[in-house]
Parts: sequence; structure tokens; C-alpha cells
Amino acid sequence: DGGITQSPKYLFRKEGQNVTLSCEQNLNHDAMYWYRQDPGQGLRLIYYSQIVNDFQKGDIAEGYSVSREKKESFPLTVTSAQKNPTAFYLCASSPGTGQFGDTQYFGPGTRLTVL
Amino acid sequence: QQQVKQSPQSLIVQKGGISIINCAYENTAFDYFPWYQQFPGKGPALLIAIRPDVSEKKEGRFTISFNKSAKQFSLHIMDSQPGDSATYFCAARGAGTGANNLFFGTGTRLTVIP
Repeated sequence: DGGITQSPKYLFRKEGQNVTLSCEQNLNHDAMYWYRQDPGQGLRLIYYSQIVNDFQKGDIAEGYSVSREKKESFPLTVTSAQKNPTAFYLCASSPGTGQFGDTQYFGPGTRLTVL
Repeated sequence: QQQVKQSPQSLIVQKGGISIINCAYENTAFDYFPWYQQFPGKGPALLIAIRPDVSEKKEGRFTISFNKSAKQFSLHIMDSQPGDSATYFCAARGAGTGANNLFFGTGTRLTVIP
């Protein structure tokens, strides 16, 4: 079964703690993305990676960090510097060819709540 | 600055009616326009997509209309069903640095009343 998995589905964190969200894909996609979704808002890009060992900041990277050591994995760390981390986090991947049909496919999401 | 503007924010349609969601963009370098459907607590799923050299694309009850000169595109859902109740996002794919990046609209919450 090909797809994108995110874990955990729900995550609770105390203020001041760092937390890491997992994202794994077995679609053999080159590109991976992290988005944040807040109620009533669209998807805002946090970080993206076009290739292993390389990643770029998106629109709202402050307070977040990522790594891309393997093609299939793109974990996101929400640090204590993120002022308002409670949100729904979505991971996505895409083939990265730039051709028509090269679009992003999303995982099921992780809901992070800061207590 | 919102690169893709979507309206309406919410929409209520009777079963069997037509749902219409509109999007507008400014960047003429966008080369791919997908629509995503998202159910509560789930990730968005690709619904249908179009490229700017095509004026219309239809897949089942879902149709994208594209007006390149007006820089607008819309999603039409024919014979809307209660199971279509979800949030719909339009998006546009960029060019240049981060060429595969998608710029999303703010979403439309569709409710289809039985």
C-alpha cells in the first residue's frame, strides 16, 4: 500500500517542550512538504525539501526545524520558540518532476495541542 | 499576501443542486491548478486539476472552468450530494525557486442539505 503516514495522530505537549512529528512516504517521491492548518484558514507552508539533505524555509518557518536524511522521511520538530504551536500539521510529498500531474499528496495529519 | 483568493468562505446547497466555488490569482507564471477536498480530521485529497491551456475539465460530477485572461478558475459540483459536504481548497503551482510549491486558497466549507 503506497502512501504517506504521519504519527502520532494526536499529540499533546507542555509549554516549553520540543516535539517531533513523523512523516514517512513510500511513493518514491523526491519532494516533501510540511504545512500548518488553523481553523478557517488555508494551508501555510512551513518547510519543504526538493531532495535529500536539502530543505528550504516556507512562509512560517520560525520556531520549526526539519531534517531530510532519507528520501522517505521528513520529520518536523516544533520547538519551544514557536509561540502558538497548537494546530493541525500536514505532511505532503510530490514526484518533483514539475510536469502536469506532479502534484502534492497529503498524509492524514497530526493534531498538536499545547497544554 | 494571499496569492490565490477563494470565495465564498462557506456555501450551503440543497441536494441535487450545483455548488460553485471561485478562485482568482495574480501570478501568470502559475502552471497547474489543482482542487483538493478535505473531510474533518483528514488530510486534503486531490480532486481534479487543470493546466492553463485548457478552458474546462470534467471528471464525473466535478468540473473546473478556467479563464486565463481573467486569471480566474472555478469548481462546479453538479448534482451535489450530502457526501460532498467537505472543505474545498483551490491551489496554484508556482514557478522558479520552489517550482513545485503550491499556493492555497483559504478554503470553502460546503454543506449539502439532504
